Amino acid sequence: EVELVQSGGGLAQPGGTLRLSCAASNFDFSDSAMGWVRQAPGKGLEWVSAISARGRATFHAVSVEGRFTISRDNSKSTLSLEMNRLRVEDTAMYYCVRGELSTVIKVFLSWGQGTLVTVSS
Amino acid sequence: SYVVTQPPSVSVAPGQTATITCGGNNIGSKSVHWYQLRPGQAPKLVISYDNDRPSGIPERISGSNFGNTATLTISRVEARDEADYFCQFWDSSADLPVFGGGTKLTVL
Repeated sequence: EVELVQSGGGLAQPGGTLRLSCAASNFDFSDSAMGWVRQAPGKGLEWVSAISARGRATFHAVSVEGRFTISRDNSKSTLSLEMNRLRVEDTAMYYCVRGELSTVIKVFLSWGQGTLVTVSS
Repeated sequence: SYVVTQPPSVSVAPGQTATITCGGNNIGSKSVHWYQLRPGQAPKLVISYDNDRPSGIPERISGSNFGNTATLTISRVEARDEADYFCQFWDSSADLPVFGGGTKLTVL
């Protein structure tokens, strides 16, 4: 069974930095596009970022462009999200997701358990 | 941008059929996927490409997509089906995934 185990997150002040990680297992990580989806308290799902299987292409939602950076290490089957210049509105549960294709994520096949990010002074 | 609409809530008695809709202009021309979110659990893909069930999803969960409405149908509803359900599709004009606002299914 596919496993996506998330770590990181927590509390940060506005303008601060946090890093999320996702350890993947039981599938060919280097063949799958990966990404992050978030859900703010009481709100719906919002796609945040995606990265192609080889890491050559990255995509970010307009709301996080220039502040968040997605990366991957295929040798360790890990996915990361570096979140800089955090805003209160970035407060959300963040989910690591696996895509069906190697290039983009059109359907989110598997999800991590989620990690909470809280931005507050 | 493309507008997609889900009812905020649906309530159904155990054993009955729950119908959750996802409306949008000519959404039938898109491939729609459905996700189940239960508190404390990892979200789960329950229907892909309008009506395909991933391994492990029971046959009483099905999907359809015609015209301006995609539909998730859960037959013989059980207490464990109580969750938030989100539709999602790929917006080819913007080249990004789009989610519906979500529907909370309550089992009475």
